[in-house]
Amino acid sequence: RKEVEQDPGPFNVPEGATVAFNCTYSNSASQSFFWYRQDCRKEPKLLMSVYSSGNEDGRFTAQLNRASQYISLLIRDSKLSDSATYLCVVSFTGGFKTIFGAGTRLFVKA
Amino acid sequence: DVKVTQSSRYLVKRTGEKVFLECVQDMDHENMFWYRQDPGLGLRLIYFSYDVKMKEKGDIPEGYSVSREKKERFSLILESASTNQTSMYLCASSPGQAYNEQFFGPGTRLTVL
Repeated sequence: RKEVEQDPGPFNVPEGATVAFNCTYSNSASQSFFWYRQDCRKEPKLLMSVYSSGNEDGRFTAQLNRASQYISLLIRDSKLSDSATYLCVVSFTGGFKTIFGAGTRLFVKA
Repeated sequence: DVKVTQSSRYLVKRTGEKVFLECVQDMDHENMFWYRQDPGLGLRLIYFSYDVKMKEKGDIPEGYSVSREKKERFSLILESASTNQTSMYLCASSPGQAYNEQFFGPGTRLTVL
């Protein structure tokens, strides 16, 4: 079983749609959680950190469920420019272990 | 502005060649990382360094070595390239604790023939 698992997609949605991605992690010692975005043929860039209380940044909402060991990303009012691969990332404090999920591809269509 | 640069965007080498991939960051970050990214597998950590001359193996170090002689520079070395090392190689750096945000370079697409 992979340490961090994501649905690879692709998710094909129309502009304006709401789309949600989930990510599960297997190690309960995981401490820090992130969503990165990777455009085609580009490097990954941090989209947002994920906090226990949940957090929101504009149209993006991230949530963490420690009991069930998953994190989620919700995108509201999808834009064409949201088309990308979204990487779930889990890190462990006290060490240097950071695990990247394989990513979920999103295509937003006009 | 944060910047991580890699020496080449595309590289083609032959089996058995020694390959050097260079990464430079200008943010005075303590930590630097080398990953490879393959379809369906995501990013896998090859090596990382948390200080000059310090290095630690990641998840897939076999066939690779690294060098960090200066804080801003982290080199990945393929001692004898093989076709299964054809991949996208990404360098990253982060400040302080390693679980902080990582800043990535543009990547090097290496093809080994």
